[in-house]
Amino acid sequence: GNSVTQMEGPVTLSEEAFLTINCTYTATGYPSLFWYVQYPGEGLQLLLKATKADDKGSNKGFEATYRKETTSFHLEKGSVQVSDSAVYFCALGDSSYKLIFGSGTRLLVRP
Amino acid sequence: DVKVTQSSRYLVKRTGEKVFLECVQDMDHENMFWYRQDPGLGLRLIYFSYDVKMKEKGDIPEGYSVSREKKERFSLILESASTNQTSMYLCASSLGVTRQGIRSPLHFGNGTRLTVT
Repeated sequence: GNSVTQMEGPVTLSEEAFLTINCTYTATGYPSLFWYVQYPGEGLQLLLKATKADDKGSNKGFEATYRKETTSFHLEKGSVQVSDSAVYFCALGDSSYKLIFGSGTRLLVRP
Repeated sequence: DVKVTQSSRYLVKRTGEKVFLECVQDMDHENMFWYRQDPGLGLRLIYFSYDVKMKEKGDIPEGYSVSREKKERFSLILESASTNQTSMYLCASSLGVTRQGIRSPLHFGNGTRLTVT
């Protein structure tokens, strides 16, 4: 069946460092791909999305490109801030009703 | 912006109690979902609903039921709460699949942290 695999955390970075969180997927057909962010004590918020191959989703300085050839959707940011500390979830939307989530990656940014 | 509102942020209930978790969305979305989130286990789908009075079991429906009498409201019911149901519960809604065949994102509420003692 369809699945999403994320790199395990926590990922600890200094402020202004470059961020990459890896996400790969297994799916038939042409799924949509999403990144969600969860700040402490809150629900999940949609960060960005891509609906077809080679699409680049971007928001708040974060980017991810839908790579069908490598079945990947890695999240990147050029310069992280302390306020980016959160848990990040990669998710896949296929032809069913639900989204399939990765296990989440905790990011900790130190001043 | 889509707003998904969960009625309680924190709940403490006793073992054996019947517990209702309420969720309301204001965007006329057809699809609504209940997930639970536990450390190390990620998000697991309990139930979802694709229309009023329609429901489908998710990955972990045991010990839960749901009700969707109106389009905007989706309730999760713990028939007899147990300590292993202590968790963060997240409600979400979605437009579903657009006419172009694109999966719409889920919009989440802030969650209800339930403790069963």
